Amino acid sequence: AQTVTQSQPEMSVQEAETVTLSCTYDTSESDYYLFWYKQPPSRQMILVIRQEAYKQQNATENRFSVNFQKAAKSFSLKISDSQLGDAAMYFCAWGEYGNKLVFGAGTILRVKS
Amino acid sequence: DAGVIQSPRHEVTEMGQEVTLRCKPISGHDYLFWYRQTMMRGLELLIYFNNNVPIDDSGMPEDRFSAKMPNASFSTLKIQPSEPRDSAVYFCASSALRGGWGGYTFGSGTRLTVV
Repeated sequence: AQTVTQSQPEMSVQEAETVTLSCTYDTSESDYYLFWYKQPPSRQMILVIRQEAYKQQNATENRFSVNFQKAAKSFSLKISDSQLGDAAMYFCAWGEYGNKLVFGAGTILRVKS
Repeated sequence: DAGVIQSPRHEVTEMGQEVTLRCKPISGHDYLFWYRQTMMRGLELLIYFNNNVPIDDSGMPEDRFSAKMPNASFSTLKIQPSEPRDSAVYFCASSALRGGWGGYTFGSGTRLTVV
């Protein structure tokens, strides 16, 4: 069974600094998708960024970027110029095209002013 | 589009009562997922539908849980009878494959408290 591991239960970053959240996954599939979701205190799950495994280029969305290492089964999220509004729980997720997503346990990100 | 709409936002019920959670997916989305979130177990998939047909219900904890999708614009998750251990946030999400897969769009969740 596929598993997703987020080894950092909690991270802190100073406002305007950069932080990297880690995620590893285990699968024997070669074609799949990876996602990062953000869950602020409002509990709404918000899609941050996605990566298609067949694409070698790392995805970027404004201040958010990923470091996708397919051979190492690693998918980290980098947040640049951190803002107070980035404080939230971040979930890494793995899924095959159109299929169910498997989520990691989440990382709480705290942003200090 | 209004997004995925879940109701109610909060539900408090007594043990033994029937609880029905509701979800309206985004129009045109052909996949619908029900997840449960707890501190201990994180996000767990309960069941998902494709074109209104249940595809995988292996995550449904026991017979007290049932889910239906009578049409493309409505789904329910029912717990009967409810127990305190069912207390959690229940999310509905929908997805479409046309134009590539952008992942799920989640509803705002229903916080269920069983006392």
